[in-house]
Amino acid sequence: EPEVTQTPSHQVTQMGQEVILRCVPISNHLYFYWYRQILGQKVEFLVSFYNNEISEKSEIFDDQFSVERPDGSNFTLKIRSTKLEDSAMYFCASSEVPLVGYTFGSGTRLTVV
Amino acid sequence: DQQVKQNSPSLSVQEGRISILNCDYTNSMFDYFLWYKKYPAEGPTFLISISSIKDKNEDGRFTVFLNKSAKHLSLHIVPSQPGDSAVYFCAALGGNEKLTFGTGTRLTIIP
Repeated sequence: EPEVTQTPSHQVTQMGQEVILRCVPISNHLYFYWYRQILGQKVEFLVSFYNNEISEKSEIFDDQFSVERPDGSNFTLKIRSTKLEDSAMYFCASSEVPLVGYTFGSGTRLTVV
Repeated sequence: DQQVKQNSPSLSVQEGRISILNCDYTNSMFDYFLWYKKYPAEGPTFLISISSIKDKNEDGRFTVFLNKSAKHLSLHIVPSQPGDSAVYFCAALGGNEKLTFGTGTRLTIIP
């Protein structure tokens, strides 16, 4: 069964450093998303991406965040200057059309120290 | 601002019995609802969904009921199996692509 792949599974970084979280969505999917889950809290929407541009973003997705589809397969989330409160599980997801249930990756656990 | 609420953080059910997970929402613009299941160290897995024009959708052991007037939906799992032990998230869509999740209910199936 097709799956969304995320790397790395765990990333530890120093506060103030830049991190790039990588995702390979399902190949025929057109819509891509990043969500995050801070430990013990709910899963929160960050950003959606379609046709090589951001289609929607949340208040969390401020100027320190950016997304990119550098080639035909990868979808990346960059956090420019990490803060302690950025520590969370980051989930990538993709869908063929928005109203069909997304397929999520298994997540990247980001720990900022 | 919790637009999607799951008021029971945990639920324990005997194997073979029915598990009922509840979800309430406040935003009238939501028109599509989904249930996701999540195991530790994995991403959410889509289970079942329902459009606001329906009041019930069934898929095998899973049935989702929607009561629009009460802004309430529930997921029924019958019979419950040990492999159903996981965290279940209710989520909603409303005219855009953004899923709004509830806080989750941890279901434990007791053998």
